[in-house]
Amino acid sequence: GAVVSQHPSWVICKSGTSVKIECRSLDFQATTMFWYRQFPKQSLMLMATSNEGSKATYEQGVEKDKFLINHASLTLSTLTVTSAHPEDSSFYICSAYSGRETQYFGPGTRLLVL
Amino acid sequence: QKEVEQDPGPLSVPEGAIVSLNCTYSNSAFQYFMWYRQYSRKGPELLMYTYSSGNKEDGRFTAQVDKSSKYISLFIRDSQPSDSATYLCAMSAGSGGGADGLTFGKGTHLIIQP
Repeated sequence: GAVVSQHPSWVICKSGTSVKIECRSLDFQATTMFWYRQFPKQSLMLMATSNEGSKATYEQGVEKDKFLINHASLTLSTLTVTSAHPEDSSFYICSAYSGRETQYFGPGTRLLVL
Repeated sequence: QKEVEQDPGPLSVPEGAIVSLNCTYSNSAFQYFMWYRQYSRKGPELLMYTYSSGNKEDGRFTAQVDKSSKYISLFIRDSQPSDSATYLCAMSAGSGGGADGLTFGKGTHLIIQP
């Protein structure tokens, strides 16, 4: 149980394009989903928190117009990196919370912006 | 001072040894403490979840929390080469362990030598 998937697992794009990453909870309903980013040799950093049907709450320093989050259902959240630039290259990981215990993480999406 | 400090290692031990992994933190509001295991280029996998001070055991793993010292530990008994991974501590101040974004340490890279 508590399986979270992400798609795609990796993506390469040109600078200036937009990239959408999907996060799905496969066997439970997630009241809350989170998006984290991890740069090499750094800790996971929380980017934003999203509750189904509500606007996402962004952490300080994260541009909400650049990182668009949609949490349309209890099993799906999407993160769109708009007008991606090389400095946005990172490992993006989502997690899902069902209301019990703690968060379960997806396998991550590696983004490389050329 | 970072909120969560964790020695990145690498920590190399022989197979069968007892491994001790630690984190210190500065935010006294943290109440929920988690240990995740992360393999290279994968999402974190939940190992242990504890609330408040004390010990919790699960198989070969024991998690220990000392809130008075702001210090948490993960012990691995009878370590195996398959335990080689990066171990992340994470914590939350929220009312329900996974309901709020987690604050992570950088992770300790553990190597179990056969």
